[in-house]
Amino acid sequence: GENVEQHPSTLSVQEGDSAVIKCTYSDSASNYFPWYKQELGKGPQLIIDIRSNVGEKKDQRIAVTLNKTAKHFSLHITETQPEDSAVYFCAASRRATDSWGKLQFGAGTQVVVTP
Amino acid sequence: EADIYQTPRYLVIGTGKKITLECSQTMGHDKMYWYQQDPGMELHLIHYSYGVNSTEKGDLSSESTVSRIRTEHFPLTLESARPSHTSQYLCASSADRGGEKLFFGSGTQLSVL
Repeated sequence: GENVEQHPSTLSVQEGDSAVIKCTYSDSASNYFPWYKQELGKGPQLIIDIRSNVGEKKDQRIAVTLNKTAKHFSLHITETQPEDSAVYFCAASRRATDSWGKLQFGAGTQVVVTP
Repeated sequence: EADIYQTPRYLVIGTGKKITLECSQTMGHDKMYWYQQDPGMELHLIHYSYGVNSTEKGDLSSESTVSRIRTEHFPLTLESARPSHTSQYLCASSADRGGEKLFFGSGTQLSVL
């Protein structure tokens, strides 16, 4: 089955700096890669996702890049703000039209943005 | 804002008690899931459902059971709680055919003494 590794487990950045979280996956058939953000006391929330036919996707201050050959993908947060402090999870799955594609989550990264 | 609700938010009980964690969604999603989140943050899938009368065990073995009698409702039951069951339990749902784009509830923090 799919195995997703996520690094680092904790990340401390100064407000205004950039943050990068990296994930690797094992199943070359995986084709869907979402990122979830979990704030304290809440459930994870999808913030951005990318499919295997795309190399990069941006949404305001966040971006995700995918390298299918190396089987890794990354989340980039620019101009970090205190409200970016949270736990971030990467995930991977095979998206199939006729079957259920389970998400395999990484272990999570605790991001702390210090003023 | 996703319309998926979990109750209670916090539960402290004694060993041996039977408990049910409630999860309801008003989005009409077919697929629902239960995840267990340990203090190290990892999310472990313990149960999922394709729809009414469908339940499957997830990747992490769990002594809990689930039922799906109505589309909107996916309760999780522990017949006899033990301290090893202490954890955060997160319910989620999705509408997409492939099971993507999960909407999570806020979770139930269970402590078994």
